[in-house]
Amino acid sequence: GAVVSQHPSWVICKSGTSVKIECRSLDFQATTMFWYRQFPKQSLMLMATSNEGSKATYEQGVEKDKFLINHASLTLSTLTVTSAHPEDSSFYICSANRGRDQPQHFGDGTRLSIL
Amino acid sequence: AQSVTQLDSQVPVFEEAPVELRCNYSSSVSVYLFWYVQYPNQGLQLLLKYLSGSTLVKGINGFEAEFNKSQTSFHLRKPSVHISDTAEYFCAVSVVLGGAQKLVFGQGTRLTINP
Repeated sequence: GAVVSQHPSWVICKSGTSVKIECRSLDFQATTMFWYRQFPKQSLMLMATSNEGSKATYEQGVEKDKFLINHASLTLSTLTVTSAHPEDSSFYICSANRGRDQPQHFGDGTRLSIL
Repeated sequence: AQSVTQLDSQVPVFEEAPVELRCNYSSSVSVYLFWYVQYPNQGLQLLLKYLSGSTLVKGINGFEAEFNKSQTSFHLRKPSVHISDTAEYFCAVSVVLGGAQKLVFGQGTRLTINP
């Protein structure tokens, strides 16, 4: 069964709205979670590494003020797309692993459509 | 820098035929290697992993892959495919950078099974 749950699975909203996406590890504690973005017919691009109890580490070129990440507990990380615009429309996927040398388990993704 | 190259963007195969999806990586350090499968509008599901030990690894759904260090390859194979294997397949290498494990993905290979 799924070990990482992501919610919501689909969001459609107006330009200028802020959208929050949740990522939960279901049966293990994850000190680190990851957020990816995927454009149609493309691979996954790592946006940031979410660290429990500390600031997220963003990849080069990712706006930290646009994509706010909060990892408030060992089982929950959230990604907030602030003041979203049509160019933020994409498929966002989170992942977590049980330990540093263990495979990452992925959520089912969130399709974000900004009108 | 670590990188992953999937040599084929699309692979059409007839049902019950064998298939090989190619993956080459470049890394100056020891790596962990993974194959993930992605069905439409879903996250990624782990097919198999190579961490150490035997170079031939078996995964779910009848897939296997062989780690070849000299050729820096990790090709995915299945002796007889089914319609349900139609999906996007991603090869990934895991590296530790700055104390954090990160996944670097290939571009993906779309496997299409024709009846």
